[in-house]
Amino acid sequence: IAGITQAPTSQILAAGRRMTLRCTQDMRHNAMYWYRQDLGLGLRLIHYSNTAGTTGKGEVPDGYSVSRANTDDFPLTLASAVPSQTSVYFCASSDEAGGTDTQYFGPGTRLTVL
Amino acid sequence: GQNIDQPTEMTATEGAIVQINCTYQTSGFNGLFWYQQHAGEAPTFLSYNVLDGLEEKGRFSSFLSRSKGYSYLLLKELQMKDSASYLCAVRDGDYKLSFGAGTTVTVRA
Repeated sequence: IAGITQAPTSQILAAGRRMTLRCTQDMRHNAMYWYRQDLGLGLRLIHYSNTAGTTGKGEVPDGYSVSRANTDDFPLTLASAVPSQTSVYFCASSDEAGGTDTQYFGPGTRLTVL
Repeated sequence: GQNIDQPTEMTATEGAIVQINCTYQTSGFNGLFWYQQHAGEAPTFLSYNVLDGLEEKGRFSSFLSRSKGYSYLLLKELQMKDSASYLCAVRDGDYKLSFGAGTTVTVRA
């Protein structure tokens, strides 16, 4: 069982380019999340999805979009990348949005926007 | 917004005990989590508290006081592999997790 996979592992991107970060989980979890992690700021929620077909905005959604066409996949798209989006991006999933269920994290994508 | 504070760094000796404090102010409360994150890796779940008191899990224990907005993670019998960042996270009234910036623990021989 792979758990959560993310692709690519790392990417260097020119400013203004479009980029999609991929996230796939095989645990049949209902809820999925995208975070960015920056030094000194901790993990910040970008977007989330409580179940397939629904999405919501987190703390820092501007410049990002997501879709949840099925249970397993939750891609994050940067429509026009800017240098301030340089960060490490983590995808996570949990069985439910509430309850005692914990969030499980993917290995992360290190993105550099030049 | 959410406000979660924890120390930036702590250093301890192998075999010792270290206590990482976390204070929080959030809109609603639905549980507090501790995660461990080794450099360059993903966070992994350590503990969960939703009621006041101490939760013990092997060498790690976590305490919660909801009235004080306070938690701590206690690491006993420190090992070199415990060198990592420890993240305090609070689930708010909307069931969203807000994370502190993390505490980097360095274990020295």
